[in-house]
Amino acid sequence: QKEVEQNSGPLSVPEGAIASLNCTYSDRVSQSFFWYRQYSGKSPELIMSIYSNGDKEDGRFTAQLNKASQYVSLLIRDSQPSDSATYLCAVTFAGGYNKLIFGAGTRLAVHP
Amino acid sequence: NAGVTQTPKFQVLKTGQSMTLQCAQDMNHNSMYWYRQDPGMGLRLIYYSASEGTTDKGEVPNGYNVSRLNKREFSLRLESAAPSQTSVYFCASSYGASLDYEQYFGPGTRLTVT
Repeated sequence: QKEVEQNSGPLSVPEGAIASLNCTYSDRVSQSFFWYRQYSGKSPELIMSIYSNGDKEDGRFTAQLNKASQYVSLLIRDSQPSDSATYLCAVTFAGGYNKLIFGAGTRLAVHP
Repeated sequence: NAGVTQTPKFQVLKTGQSMTLQCAQDMNHNSMYWYRQDPGMGLRLIYYSASEGTTDKGEVPNGYNVSRLNKREFSLRLESAAPSQTSVYFCASSYGASLDYEQYFGPGTRLTVT
């Protein structure tokens, strides 16, 4: 079992819809969670970090963390074609000094 | 403010050749990281440096060496390149000393080993 799992997609949503991206992880002691966006041929760009259970909102983006169920999700409201990219989930294990593991990413396609 | 810069952008090596990838950041960050990214796989941490003068192994350190030259610069060296090291290499930096801090990435180096 991979330590951080994401559906590879593509997740296709119409412009203006809500895109929901999910990430599950294997270790209950994980404490830091990150979402990055990566356009094709470019470097990862940080969207959001979340450290405690619940929701965290930043503009059109909302990260949701549920440590009991071991998943973190990213919602993108009012999706735009410019949101089309691969979204990477990253999780630290054992307090962050030991491991930071990235998922393989979910490709999002927003069509007009 | 350039953020994180990497050189070169592209490189082709023959098996057995050596090279050094350079990384610099101007954000006064304490920690720096080297990752590789292969198709269908997530970013994998090669080495990181939590502060000037310290380095630690990540998930895939074999075949690589690093040097934290000063607070700004962190280099990655391939002593004897192998085709399995064909990848895209990213450098990143963060303010804090642990992996729990947000990281900011450079533009990457595309390396092909033939």
